[in-house]
Amino acid sequence: AQSVTQLGSHVSVSEGALVLLRCNYSSSVPPYLFWYVQYPNQGLQLLLKYTSAATLVKGINGFEAEFKKSETSFHLTKPSAHMSDAAEYFCAVRGGGSEKLVFGKGMKLTVNP
Amino acid sequence: DAGVTQSPTHLIKTRGQQVTLRCSPKSGHDTVSWYQQALGQGPQFIFQYYEEEERQRGNFPDRFSGHQFPNYSSELNVNALLLGDSALYLCASSLPGGGETQYFGPGTRLLVL
Repeated sequence: AQSVTQLGSHVSVSEGALVLLRCNYSSSVPPYLFWYVQYPNQGLQLLLKYTSAATLVKGINGFEAEFKKSETSFHLTKPSAHMSDAAEYFCAVRGGGSEKLVFGKGMKLTVNP
Repeated sequence: DAGVTQSPTHLIKTRGQQVTLRCSPKSGHDTVSWYQQALGQGPQFIFQYYEEEERQRGNFPDRFSGHQFPNYSSELNVNALLLGDSALYLCASSLPGGGETQYFGPGTRLLVL
């Protein structure tokens, strides 16, 4: 069975600072990994996904994530935070012939001016 | 290109009632998945429909049922509503396949009183 761990629930950064959101996964088979963003009162928007083509994945809005099999991690980063990045971020895993996405509990990002 | 649409946007019901939520997939998509997102949590997979049949189901009771129509749109039905069913219900559409992106609609917020 697949699972995802996002430690903590809230991270706060200053505008222009590095954003690092951590995600560790558990999967008995090579996984597909996703990061989604959710703005208040909206659905989920895909930021990026890993499907085994390349370990460093670039997404929208300047975000990227690196798949590290040895660490079972898929951390999300952005070099310079913008006020518009304030939202909730979810890591998700899918694999092993399963059709469902398994989500972490999410991480609320606050960006301070 | 219209994305995933859901109706209604908000709904208030009382315990014991039944509710039907609707979803129209993104153009060209034939697979619809439903998720429940409780307040402060990540989305939880309810079930997925493909070719008008339920292909996979999450850990939800039989009170949760669904349907997919020939035009690929879908309904989620919940019977005998409980207070704990209050949540944001998200519909996602995709093409079949593990690496395919699931595109989410804005959700239906259900409040059970």
